Amino acid sequence: KQEVTQIPAALSVPEGENLVLNCSFTDSAIYNLQWFRQDPGKGLTSLLLIQSSQREQTSGRLNASLDKSSGRSTLYIAASQPGDSATYLCAVESQAGTALIFGKGTTLSVSS
Amino acid sequence: GAGVSQSPSNKVTEKGKDVELRCDPISGHTALYWYRQSLGQGLEFLIYFQGNSAPDKSGLPSDRFSAERTGGSVSTLTIQRTQQEDSAVYLCASSLLGLASYNEQFFGPGTRLTVL
Repeated sequence: KQEVTQIPAALSVPEGENLVLNCSFTDSAIYNLQWFRQDPGKGLTSLLLIQSSQREQTSGRLNASLDKSSGRSTLYIAASQPGDSATYLCAVESQAGTALIFGKGTTLSVSS
Repeated sequence: GAGVSQSPSNKVTEKGKDVELRCDPISGHTALYWYRQSLGQGLEFLIYFQGNSAPDKSGLPSDRFSAERTGGSVSTLTIQRTQQEDSAVYLCASSLLGLASYNEQFFGPGTRLTVL
């Protein structure tokens, strides 16, 4: 059974710092991996999707990497801003068209 | 274009009552998912619809939960005889399952259900 773990559960950094959020999964046979952002009381916003054949994806200040063989993904946020404060969720889809399996998230707080 | 929409945004009900939650997926998306987010439990899958195929109901926690998708578009999640442990945020997602999209799922804002 696929399990997804995110470390740390919470992270506080000053504005301007670069930071890395970690995600690990137990079964390396995945179809894709998605990173989401969730603001308090809101739904999920898709940030990046990495296909199983890819190693990384970039969008603006965000870079997500995928190492299937070790069951790990990282989300790198460059030059963090207070507006980046949110909960970041990692989710894997084991086979095409199946449900996402989520980690419990990392709650990020960026202070000005 | 419009994203996934859900209604109501908030629902407060009394224990034992039935509730219906609605999801309007992104137009043209063939796949629709329901998830539940409970405090301290994280996001868990409930049910999945894909085209005209039989839905995957493997995540439904009890037979009090059911869902339907009419005309391949709008979906309704029904919870009968609600219990306090049903209190959670219910999230709907849709995707265009296919090679080009790699099944990226897009989420609605959720319905916060409180059972008193």
